[in-house]
Amino acid sequence: AQSVTQLGSHVSVSEGALVLLRCNYSSSVPPYLFWYVQYPNQGLQLLLKYTSAATLVKGINGFEAEFKKSETSFHLTKPSAHMSDAAEYFCAVSPESGYSTLTFGKGTMLLVSP
Amino acid sequence: EAGVAQSPRYKIIEKRQSVAFWCNPISGHATLYWYQQILGQGPKLLIQFQNNGVVDDSQLPKDRFSAERLKGVDSTLKIQPAKLEDSAVYLCASSLDSGETQYFGPGTRLLVL
Repeated sequence: AQSVTQLGSHVSVSEGALVLLRCNYSSSVPPYLFWYVQYPNQGLQLLLKYTSAATLVKGINGFEAEFKKSETSFHLTKPSAHMSDAAEYFCAVSPESGYSTLTFGKGTMLLVSP
Repeated sequence: EAGVAQSPRYKIIEKRQSVAFWCNPISGHATLYWYQQILGQGPKLLIQFQNNGVVDDSQLPKDRFSAERLKGVDSTLKIQPAKLEDSAVYLCASSLDSGETQYFGPGTRLLVL
């Protein structure tokens, strides 16, 4: 069984500030981990994915995430927030055996103020 | 390359009515998924197709929901009869094959009154 917990339904930052979105997972087997972004009235877009290679994963738009097995975490970060980063972010997990079955967290809304 | 297309984008119906959603996946993608996203929650998988066969429909409420993927390309998801709790965004996604990255469509927002 797999599950994902995203801490904080809303995160507010100022433009130029560090973005940190938290994700903790539970999985009975080695996981693959994903971050997706959803802009208003749009579908989900893949930001980055961890598939048991390098633990630090770089994605699009300057985002990166680090897989920490000891902490069962996969937090998403960006050094400097832009106004265009305002969106909802979803963490998801799937079994390493194949990443068809995605289990999503409840999402974190990122608000960016000028 | 065209993305995943869905229609309609919005639909408002009364409870006990029926509704159908359509999805056209990315060309050449063998795997197609339907997700339900209730407000304030992450997407939940309803059904997964591999070509025109069902791989996983364990979370599909089969008493009212049905889906098909004739000819292994387009897919239709139907709800009959709809309940208030079916109000949600229905997302379609496709991937080149099972286990590959999933690409999502814009979704159909359903409101059941």
